[in-house]
Amino acid sequence: GAGVSQTPSNKVTEKGKYVELRCDPISGHTALYWYRQSLGQGPEFLIYFQGTGAADDSGLPNDRFFAVRPEGSVSTLKIQRTERGDSAVYLCASSYRGTGMNTEAFFGQGTRLTVV
Amino acid sequence: AQKITQTQPGMFVQEKEAVTLDCTYDTSDPSYGLFWYKQPSSGEMIFLIYQGSYDQQNATEGRYSLNFQKARKSANLVISASQLGDSAMYFCAMREIEGSSNTGKLIFGQGTTLQVKP
Repeated sequence: GAGVSQTPSNKVTEKGKYVELRCDPISGHTALYWYRQSLGQGPEFLIYFQGTGAADDSGLPNDRFFAVRPEGSVSTLKIQRTERGDSAVYLCASSYRGTGMNTEAFFGQGTRLTVV
Repeated sequence: AQKITQTQPGMFVQEKEAVTLDCTYDTSDPSYGLFWYKQPSSGEMIFLIYQGSYDQQNATEGRYSLNFQKARKSANLVISASQLGDSAMYFCAMREIEGSSNTGKLIFGQGTTLQVKP
């Protein structure tokens, strides 16, 4: 498909488990972002990749959260020892270069994570 | 401090009428960009319109226009001739350069839920 693809669309996991969320950006987009959106709130920035490297991970809430993008395309957000407070929709976005002021970011439909 | 403020949690508008969704922002950077996104119940974020801080004219995209008042730090979205399909959550967002870096990340407001009545 032409858009940003996120899998799974829904994930239910037990507290304490490890989860991986996948993002497949638009082909050719070098910039990739992860955001977290809690119910009734706007998305909050987690991490930004330019190519393979994490250029800004200042939004990751703690060391249980980690993300990789080994080949500069698909990215995986990894959450260890999940907590109920991690329940949210995790959005991925990509853009062509990312740092132009007017560069449009294209979002995926998100992964709804529920920790029970 | 909240950088993007959307003070209207919910709005109603009659079909075919115009509606204004409010957004104020806070930044000390002279160079920034302002965005509006639409988020239907399906969850995806759809880009609507962009306004740069140095743009002299208000941005327009079809039925969407942005009422940019730089001195007041407001960037209100105007939707003309509302349609039932406009019912969604709307987010205002800002991109700014932080010091010498520009990661391109967006800072979002809390959103406004718009319901269009037939």
